[in-house]
Parts: sequence; structure tokens; C-alpha cells
Amino acid sequence: DGGITQSPKYLFRKEGQNVTLSCEQNLNHDAMYWYRQDPGQGLRLIYYSQIVNDFQKGDIAEGYSVSREKKESFPLTVTSAQKNPTAFYLCASSRRDGRAFFGQGTRLTVV
Amino acid sequence: GENVEQHPSTLSVQEGDSAVIKCTYSDSASNYFPWYKQELGKGPQLIIDIRSNVGEKKDQRIAVTLNKTAKHFSLHITETQPEDSAVYFCAASIDFNKFYFGSGTKLNVKP
Repeated sequence: DGGITQSPKYLFRKEGQNVTLSCEQNLNHDAMYWYRQDPGQGLRLIYYSQIVNDFQKGDIAEGYSVSREKKESFPLTVTSAQKNPTAFYLCASSRRDGRAFFGQGTRLTVV
Repeated sequence: GENVEQHPSTLSVQEGDSAVIKCTYSDSASNYFPWYKQELGKGPQLIIDIRSNVGEKKDQRIAVTLNKTAKHFSLHITETQPEDSAVYFCAASIDFNKFYFGSGTKLNVKP
């Protein structure tokens, strides 16, 4: 069953903690993306990667970090520097014709 | 960077009626325009897309139109059904590098 898998579905973070969100795809897509979604707003780009071992900052990269060591995996770390991390996080990958496919999301809550 | 505006933010229609959602974009270099449907608690799903060399595209009850001169594109859903109720997002991209999303339209189809 091909697709994009995000885990966990729900994540709780204490103040000052770093947490890592997992994103795995078996679609053989080169490009992968992380978006943040807040209520009533569109998706905002955090980081994207067009190829293994390379990634670029999006519009709201501060307080986040990523790695792309494997084509299939693009984990996102929410660091303690991110002051307002409570949000719905979406990972996506895209084909060469531009069609992007999303995972089911991770809802992160600061407790 | 690109700025995508989407209207209306909410839309309520009677089952069987048509629904139209409109988006404008700012960067004339944008050449790929997908539309996504997002159900509650899930990731967005691609429903239709259009490239800048095409003015209109149709897929069953869904159609998208693009006016490059005016820099706007629209989603048309005919014969709406209750299962069409969801949040719809438009997006714009330049050569599939980065995707900029509108703020979303919550469509409610009343039975």
C-alpha cells in the first residue's frame, strides 16, 4: 500500500523539549515538504527538500530543523526555540509532474 | 514571494446546487495550480490541477478555470452532494519548487 506515513498522530510536548515528527514515503518521490496548519489559516511551508542530502528553508523555518539522509524519510524536529509549536503538521511528497500527496498529519500540543 | 488569496472563506449551498471558489495569485511566473480537499482531521487530497498552458480542465463534476492575464483561477463543483462538504484549498507553484496555499474555503452542502 503506497503512500505517506506520518507518526505519531498526536504528540504532546512539554515546554523546553525538542520533539521529532516522522514522515516516511514509499512513492519514490524526490521532493518532500513540511507544512504547518493553524486553525482558519492555509498551509505554511516550513522546509522542503528536492533531493537527498539537500533541503531549503520555507517561510516559517525558525525553531524547526530537518534532515534528508534517505529518499524515503524527511523527519522534522520542533525545537525549544519554536515559541508557539501547537499546530497540525503535514508532510507531503511530490511527483516530477508537480502532483503532491499529503500524509494524515501530526497534531502537536504543548502541555 | 507568491501570495495566494482565496474567497469565500465559508460557502453554504443546497444539495444539487453549484459551488464556486475563487483564488488570485501575485507572481506571474506561477505555472501550476492544484486544488485540494481536506476532511476534518485528515491531510489534504488533490482533486484537480491545471497548468498555465491550459485555460480550463474538467473531471466529472469538478472543473477548474485559469485566467493568466487576470491572475486568478476558480474551482467549480456542480450537482453538489453532502460528501462534498469539506475545506478546499487552492495553491500556486512555480515549476513545482514551492507551493503557496490559499487560506481555505469551508464548503457546507445542506441535504
